[in-house]
Amino acid sequence: GAGVSQTPSNKVTEKGKYVELRCDPISGHTALYWYRQSLGQGPEFLIYFQGTGAADDSGLPNDRFFAVRPEGSVSTLKIQRTERGDSAVYLCASSLTSRLQTGGQETQYFGPGTRLLVL
Amino acid sequence: GNSVTQMEGPVTLSEEAFLTINCTYTATGYPSLFWYVQYPGEGLQLLLKATKADDKGSNKGFEATYRKETTSFHLEKGSVQVSDSAVYFCALFYNQGGKLIFGQGTELSVKP
Repeated sequence: GAGVSQTPSNKVTEKGKYVELRCDPISGHTALYWYRQSLGQGPEFLIYFQGTGAADDSGLPNDRFFAVRPEGSVSTLKIQRTERGDSAVYLCASSLTSRLQTGGQETQYFGPGTRLLVL
Repeated sequence: GNSVTQMEGPVTLSEEAFLTINCTYTATGYPSLFWYVQYPGEGLQLLLKATKADDKGSNKGFEATYRKETTSFHLEKGSVQVSDSAVYFCALFYNQGGKLIFGQGTELSVKP
């Protein structure tokens, strides 16, 4: 079946602009995660959804970042007033459930990422 | 807090050499441990995992054993191939939340 997809694959924007990044999880996966990966670093957690609600948004760096998942499937990460420091690859992942729900470990499947460049 | 530390790269090996990439972690409780791989131009893929102490994860000739006493999860392969050239990430999933915590990644380059 189809994996996690993300659009666009690349996004170039100017400082101060607003951007939206989209994630389509694997069909049937209830948990969805956003991570950010800077050059030469490992991915860093941003936010995690269980269904439609954000179960943990502790990784969002500031209030310019916001994410939604209104129908429990597709998610959009929104960045307002972009800054050059926001340039990174934004990764989305999904899993069947989270550990909190099942008490067991669920594997996260990653999309190819959106490479954001803020000029 | 919870964290993962990997050996720094790049690691350069000749084909058929033995590979070890060190990974140690700090965590409360009993996390699950993962190795992900990122091939050039591709997304992160799960390579192997272990969910409890002394478990051994294995896939594609790679192995890693969850060592609670040394808080380690070192990745090994007996004979690397050029196609193994990639960036390898060690990660932990801790039982208080839904997020993976990654190490900084180790780049492996295998020469023919």
